[in-house]
Amino acid sequence: DTAVSQTPKYLVTQMGNDKSIKCEQNLGHDTMYWYKQDSKKFLKIMFSYNNKELIINETVPNRFSPKSPDKAHLNLHINSLELGDSAVYFCASRLTPATEAFFGQGTRLTVV
Amino acid sequence: GNSVTQMEGPVTLSEEAFLTINCTYTATGYPSLFWYVQYPGEGLQLLLKATKADDKGSNKGFEATYRKETTSFHLEKGSVQVSDSAVYFCALRDYNTGNQFYFGTGTSLTVIP
Repeated sequence: DTAVSQTPKYLVTQMGNDKSIKCEQNLGHDTMYWYKQDSKKFLKIMFSYNNKELIINETVPNRFSPKSPDKAHLNLHINSLELGDSAVYFCASRLTPATEAFFGQGTRLTVV
Repeated sequence: GNSVTQMEGPVTLSEEAFLTINCTYTATGYPSLFWYVQYPGEGLQLLLKATKADDKGSNKGFEATYRKETTSFHLEKGSVQVSDSAVYFCALRDYNTGNQFYFGTGTSLTVIP
């Protein structure tokens, strides 16, 4: 069973569109994250949710909005996509902020 | 502030060669240190970790020692295999900043037969 799963794995879309990436974890973890990995493999945290409450927002444009319908899901909505949004987005979860993080397989977003 | 610096890649080695990937860090407190590995097309997986000075993390033949005096956590393996080809990320987790993870830029390793 996949611990942290993201869908879709690949997403190609045009500039200006609105898209969503879904993330689900079956580990019973309390904290979930979204990371952005750019073309140089640099990983940057975007959001952190702990028990459905946003606790980190690292100066991400407000076109990006995380939505957590329950503790096991953290979806990422992106409005008015721009070319610079092209990257691999990783979802992750942890039982507590002090424990190991488990990552999903990533979603490769390409904006054309 | 907190940051992690890794050696630039890509690194290409022959099978059975010795591997070292350098990692140094800057932290405001006493962080835990990690190495994550990303195999092609997959997410990051925890490779090893160390939570205090002089601890040695080890897994799958990889080792790294938490050196507080040099603020380093270099990754080593005595004999690499083709299956070790991946991107390796050094990271720290700082209790003083809410246990947030800080990642290095990643080092791509290719092992050739």
